[in-house]
Amino acid sequence: NAGVTQTPKFRILKIGQSMTLQCTQDMNHNYMYWYRQDPGMGLKLIYYSVGAGITDKGEVPNGYNVSRSTTEDFPLRLELAAPSQTSVYFCASSPGNNEQFFGPGTRLTVL
Amino acid sequence: QKEVEQNSGPLSVPEGAIASLNCTYSDRGSQSFFWYRQYSGKSPELIMFIYSNGDKEDGRFTAQLNKASQYVSLLIRDSQPSDSATYLCGVGGGADGLTFGKGTHLIIQP
Repeated sequence: NAGVTQTPKFRILKIGQSMTLQCTQDMNHNYMYWYRQDPGMGLKLIYYSVGAGITDKGEVPNGYNVSRSTTEDFPLRLELAAPSQTSVYFCASSPGNNEQFFGPGTRLTVL
Repeated sequence: QKEVEQNSGPLSVPEGAIASLNCTYSDRGSQSFFWYRQYSGKSPELIMFIYSNGDKEDGRFTAQLNKASQYVSLLIRDSQPSDSATYLCGVGGGADGLTFGKGTHLIIQP
């Protein structure tokens, strides 16, 4: 099992550009999450999903969108990138007991 | 709003000693408690989880939970230089993921 995979690993965006961060898991987990981690800070929940077709907002959803068309994939869309979205983004999945497995992360810089 | 508090450190511990990491949380309805280790530039890695009051041991690691005091801790015995990392406390109660503290930076001095 590859676990949770994320692409790209690094990305630099210009202000106002858009992009999609990809996340895929092969553990057949129903629950998936997107977090962002700013330097010296903990993880903040952006969006989560409890199954295909179901998504909900977390603590910091503004400026982001998600979709969940399959169990495996949970992409995160950034529209009109802003410098405040410079962060490391982690995708995680869980079998439902809150035990979460994290992907390697995407380091995003918005200039 | 759910809050999880951790001392950011750095916490410096001699090699071979016991490292004690602490975490408090605000939501009394929280049901699951996790400790993750995160090396610089890497993703969080699950070390321990605990659901019930008391102690849970796994090798050199012991998690302790006191729901009445809303307090959870992680003890690392026989600390090794490879234990040097940031330790994140995660607290959860439902499908909406975990609330994390800012993490404690632990340094094991050889």
